[in-house]
Amino acid sequence: DGGITQSPKYLFRKEGQNVTLSCEQNLNHDAMYWYRQDPGQGLRLIYYSQIVNDFQKGDIAEGYSVSREKKESFPLTVTSAQKNPTAFYLCASSIEYRGLAFFGQGTRLTVV
Amino acid sequence: QKEVEQDPGPLSVPEGAIVSLNCTYSNSAFQYFMWYRQYSRKGPELLMYTYSSGNKEDGRFTAQVDKSSKYISLFIRDSQPSDSATYLCAMSESGNTPLVFGKGTRLSVIA
Repeated sequence: DGGITQSPKYLFRKEGQNVTLSCEQNLNHDAMYWYRQDPGQGLRLIYYSQIVNDFQKGDIAEGYSVSREKKESFPLTVTSAQKNPTAFYLCASSIEYRGLAFFGQGTRLTVV
Repeated sequence: QKEVEQDPGPLSVPEGAIVSLNCTYSNSAFQYFMWYRQYSRKGPELLMYTYSSGNKEDGRFTAQVDKSSKYISLFIRDSQPSDSATYLCAMSESGNTPLVFGKGTRLSVIA
């Protein structure tokens, strides 16, 4: 089945720890995105990548880092510098030049 | 002014009603317009996609784009309890730029 796989579904982090969220796609899409969703806030863009080994900051990149070593993978690290990391994180990929984005099922991160 | 404005609701309607969901935007460069449906604790799923202005129909769903008014709409006919979800509008300037989302409208269809 083609799609976008995010793991884990639920993640708990102690304060001061870095955690990495996984996102893998087998749709052969060039572009991949990370969004954060908070209640009442909609989706806010963290980082995006249009090609391998290149990525751009979104609106709320502070406290996050990414890598794009393979076309299929775009992991997101939530660092200890992110002051309020508890949120629902969504990964997406899109078909080049079409503007369509398809989403994974999300990872819910909770700081304990 | 935020780029995309969407009334968060909640909106509650009886089964069988026609539902109208709307977004306004300020960036005249937006050309790609999408509606996503998101069930609780799930990722958004693409519902409708429109390029530039005009209408698009898919079953019970109709999407309208009025670029002159910077206004997009989603109509749901014969609404069902299974339509209860949050509906997100999204748009982008080009096929290669990230989507900008509205905050979403929470819809409940009561049987």
